[in-house]
Amino acid sequence: ETVLTQFPATLSVSPGERVTLSCWASQSVGSDLAWYQQKPGRAPRLLIYGASNRATGVPVRFSGSGSGTDFSLTISSLQSEDFAVYYCQQYNNWPPVTFGQGTRLEIK
Amino acid sequence: QLVESGGVAVQPGGSLRLSCAASVFKFEDYDIHWVRQAPGKGLEWVSVISWDHTTTFYADSVWGRFTISRDNTEASVFLHMNNLTPEDTGLYYCVRNQRFCSKRCYQKNAFDIWGQGTMVTVSS
Repeated sequence: ETVLTQFPATLSVSPGERVTLSCWASQSVGSDLAWYQQKPGRAPRLLIYGASNRATGVPVRFSGSGSGTDFSLTISSLQSEDFAVYYCQQYNNWPPVTFGQGTRLEIK
Repeated sequence: QLVESGGVAVQPGGSLRLSCAASVFKFEDYDIHWVRQAPGKGLEWVSVISWDHTTTFYADSVWGRFTISRDNTEASVFLHMNNLTPEDTGLYYCVRNQRFCSKRCYQKNAFDIWGQGTMVTVSS
């Protein structure tokens, strides 16, 4: 099973700042990595697929990069609606599909 | 759109059937997964069924206890859950694969549509 490790677990940032979230895979997943955003009481929302492709309707301030085992999600200028939990997911080595444990983005 | 139903409170050892009804898109073209989330915890993949229901996979944690099925005529997917334990407690989401078409069509297990979830509570 491919284990995904996200760091940091929690990040406290101010609106307008640039932030980068990291996701490390225990073995190569190529570019088969996605990022999701989850707000309290809501289902997750696909942000990025194929490591760097924005899903439909996702603002351009969200960008993904990486391949193999090291990936990142960058939000160029944090808006108030971006404070949420972010999960990475790999779908290269499956079953099972696996998720990271999540990074919580908090308002400083 | 995906809409789950069937989640209730049940005692350990009990059984349950979750349903997921699809609308708006061409259901029979897509593999469908179940993903669950324990209260206050992260996401855990549970199971998948292929678009033509010939292939199914399960997480080790549910293998032998859960069965996934689908009815393309009704645009629905089901998750039959047996011998439930407290560790099965959580919000169960039905999710759709991404599908790409150029010269041919193929799917990837990134999930572009999620239902709102249905809550399963296993407790005595």
